[in-house]
Amino acid sequence: GQNIDQPTEMTATEGAIVQINCTYQTSGFNGLFWYQQHAGEAPTFLSYNVLDGLEEKGRFSSFLSRSKGYSYLLLKELQMKDSASYLCAVMDSNYQLIWGAGTKLIIKP
Amino acid sequence: GAVVSQHPSRVICKSGTSVKIECRSLDFQATTMFWYRQFPKKSLMLMATSNEGSKATYEQGVEKDKFLINHASLTLSTLTVTSAHPEDSSFYICSARVQGRDTGELFFGEGSRLTVL
Repeated sequence: GQNIDQPTEMTATEGAIVQINCTYQTSGFNGLFWYQQHAGEAPTFLSYNVLDGLEEKGRFSSFLSRSKGYSYLLLKELQMKDSASYLCAVMDSNYQLIWGAGTKLIIKP
Repeated sequence: GAVVSQHPSRVICKSGTSVKIECRSLDFQATTMFWYRQFPKKSLMLMATSNEGSKATYEQGVEKDKFLINHASLTLSTLTVTSAHPEDSSFYICSARVQGRDTGELFFGEGSRLTVL
C-alpha cells in the first residue's frame, strides 16, 4: 500500500531550527510537496521537490532523497507565526496526491 | 482517522461537456468541504468553500456558473465543471473538516485529474 509517515507533533523554541521528516512508500513518484496549514485555514504551498537534493527558499528548506523515500523540511530562525501543521504529500505515478497526516509544530517563546 | 474519498480519480472529456466530481467523507460528517485546483508544481488554489445545506462561497476570480458546487448532505459535496474547455484541465482536490471538531484540521481527498480534449 501507499504510505506517508511524519511525526504527529513537534515542539521548538523561537529563534531555533527544526527539521520535520517525512518518509514515503508510493507506487511511483512524481514529486513531493510540503504545505503549511494554520488552524482553520486552507493549506499553503511551501515547496516542491522532484530531484534529489536541497531546495532553499528563505528560512525554509526542503530536502529529498528518492532512493531512501525520505524528505525533510527545515525551518530556521523560528518565529511564533510558524506554529502550524506541516503537510507532506507525494504525487504517485498516477498523479494522485498521497497525503501525510501532518505534523503539528508548536513554537515556544 | 478521517477519510475523504474523491471520484473519479481521473476523467477525460470532450470540450463542451460537463463533468461531475464527488467528494465524500467516509467515516465522519462534514458540514464544510473545500474545493481546490492545483496546477503542475504549484500550490493548491482554493476555489470555493462548500457548506451543507447552503450556497457555496466562491473565491475571487472563480466563476460560479462554471464550477457548480452542491453540498446536499453531511457526507457529500459535488463539483460540476460545466461546458468544460481545455484550459479547465487540472487537478481538483477536496478537503473536509470534521463536524464538531474545532481544531481546524482538514482531511484531503486523493484528487481528481481532469483532462479536457
